[in-house]
Amino acid sequence: GENVEQHPSTLSVQEGDSAVIKCTYSDSASNYFPWYKQELGKRPQLIIDIRSNVGEKKDQRIAVTLNKTAKHFSLHITETQPEDSAVYFCAASRFVFGPGTRLSVLP
Amino acid sequence: EPEVTQTPSHQVTQMGQEVILRCVPISNHLYFYWYRQILGQKVEFLVSFYNNEISEKSEIFDDQFSVERPDGSNFTLKIRSTKLEDSAMYFCASSPSLNTEAFFGQGTRLTVV
Repeated sequence: GENVEQHPSTLSVQEGDSAVIKCTYSDSASNYFPWYKQELGKRPQLIIDIRSNVGEKKDQRIAVTLNKTAKHFSLHITETQPEDSAVYFCAASRFVFGPGTRLSVLP
Repeated sequence: EPEVTQTPSHQVTQMGQEVILRCVPISNHLYFYWYRQILGQKVEFLVSFYNNEISEKSEIFDDQFSVERPDGSNFTLKIRSTKLEDSAMYFCASSPSLNTEAFFGQGTRLTVV
């Protein structure tokens, strides 16, 4: 079955810097890749998603890139703010989540 | 703004007891899901439901689990004989179609003692 790996497991950045989280997947048939943000004690919330027919998608400070050949995709957050601090999960389709990255943005 | 609602928010049950977790998906959504998240761990897919039947399920979703849409609005997850390791946050989600955003409910924290 599908397997999703995610790196790093924890990431600390200074406010204003960029953060990059990378994921790899194993099933070449996967065609939908959402990213979720989960604050402590709250539900996962979709922040951006990408489908396999595009290589990049951007929404304000957040961007996602997808390399289908290499089977990896990445989340880029620019100009980080303290409220970006949370756990971020990538997923391949709706069924397999990565283990998560705990992002801390230091003021 | 419409949202997925789950009840109860917290359920404590004795090992071996049956529990039913309830969800009301967003009204015009067609796909429904259950996930679980053990404290501090990743979100794990349990089951998806479409057109009144299970469309996908994971290895976690064994014979102890069942889902039902009893009345056209509620979507329930039943665990027949709870085990200590079933303690987790259970999230319901729904989406209007297969490859679009899934909206998560606020979760039910299940504690098995």
